[in-house]
Amino acid sequence: DAGVIQSPRHEVTEMGQEVTLRCKPISGHDYLFWYRQTMMRGLELLIYFNNNVPIDDSGMPEDRFSAKMPNASFSTLKIQPSEPRDSAVYFCASSWGTGRGYTFGSGTRLTVV
Amino acid sequence: KQEVTQIPAALSVPEGENLVLNCSFTDSAIYNLQWFRQDPGKGLTSLLLIQSSQREQTSGRLNASLDKSSGRSTLYIAASQPGDSATYLCAVFLLNSGYALNFGKGTSLLVTP
Repeated sequence: DAGVIQSPRHEVTEMGQEVTLRCKPISGHDYLFWYRQTMMRGLELLIYFNNNVPIDDSGMPEDRFSAKMPNASFSTLKIQPSEPRDSAVYFCASSWGTGRGYTFGSGTRLTVV
Repeated sequence: KQEVTQIPAALSVPEGENLVLNCSFTDSAIYNLQWFRQDPGKGLTSLLLIQSSQREQTSGRLNASLDKSSGRSTLYIAASQPGDSATYLCAVFLLNSGYALNFGKGTSLLVTP
């Protein structure tokens, strides 16, 4: 298995632009999570899906952030419009059921200038 | 909200030493606890997963223990090597708080030759 695949690895964009981050979870996993990591706040959960349905989006910072999971093998996290304070590393993770541990992708390092 | 604390925040040891990383959590109603390793600029690699019914898990030179009643876990690294240098993250999965991991901010470990 190739693991959780995220793209792009790095993204540099100008303030106000739309940014789309992509994630392919491990085949067969029914939970997908989006996390954000910053030096100040560490790892924060943004949103998670179960069987493609968003379950908890309370961590999404504001309406500029949206996430979708149109099918079991693909999810996107979109920021529109982007702001410099959105600069962080965004991780996607997946798991099978509960209590079996998570597998993380390599992350997308986003820089908004 | 579950608080996960890792002490120390940073640690430097000479090669060959045995060392202990600490993790404490405020809510004892955990389902499991997972230790991760993160190399600079990389994603998270799962090291050990301890279910709430277990007291410890071992993998090679790593041993993780769990004491739910005291809200503590330790990661023991035997005979440390320079390749062990990384940030080690502890994450707790709660029984009644959705299906998301709550992360500590990590311990940054440097093993010097």
